Amino acid sequence: KQEVTQIPAALSVPEGENLVLNCSFTDSAIYNLQWFRQDPGKGLTSLLLIQSSQREQTSGRLNASLDKSSGRSTLYIAASQPGDSATYLCAVKGNTPLVFGKGTRLSVIA
Amino acid sequence: EAEVAQSPRYKITEKSQAVAFWCDPISGHATLYWYRQILGQGPELLVQFQDESVVDDSQLPKDRFSAERLKGVDSTLKIQPAELGDSAMYLCASSLAGTGWTEAFFGQGTRLTVV
Repeated sequence: KQEVTQIPAALSVPEGENLVLNCSFTDSAIYNLQWFRQDPGKGLTSLLLIQSSQREQTSGRLNASLDKSSGRSTLYIAASQPGDSATYLCAVKGNTPLVFGKGTRLSVIA
Repeated sequence: EAEVAQSPRYKITEKSQAVAFWCDPISGHATLYWYRQILGQGPELLVQFQDESVVDDSQLPKDRFSAERLKGVDSTLKIQPAELGDSAMYLCASSLAGTGWTEAFFGQGTRLTVV
């Protein structure tokens, strides 16, 4: 059974810092990995999708990497802003629907 | 921009009452998912549809939950009777296909509070 772990559970940084969120998964037989953002009380917004054949994807200040063989992904956020404050969820898709981690709650302090 | 529509956004219901949630996926998306997210946790799958057929409902508490997608487009998730432990965010998602490389898109969710 696929299990997804996200570390840290919570993170607080001053504005302008670069930061890394970590995601690990137990079964490397995946098709893709998605990073989502969730604001309090809201739904999920897809940030980046990495196919299993890819190493990384970039969108603006966000960069996600994937090391399928070791079961790890990282989300790098450059020059963090208070508007980046949210919960970031990692999810992997194999032969089952998306399996999620519990998320990392990020606070960027102005 | 196409999006997954869900209603209502918020629902408060009394214990033992019936409650229903509606989802309209992105046009052309054959696969539809219902997830439940308890506060502080990641979403967990309740049911997956491929067109009008249920593909996976192994985690759906079938004694009180039911889901349908009669015409293979929009879907309804029902709880009867609701219990206090059902308080959660109910998220609907859709994708072009259920297998392989496709990206999933989520709606804004329905926040259920059972009192």
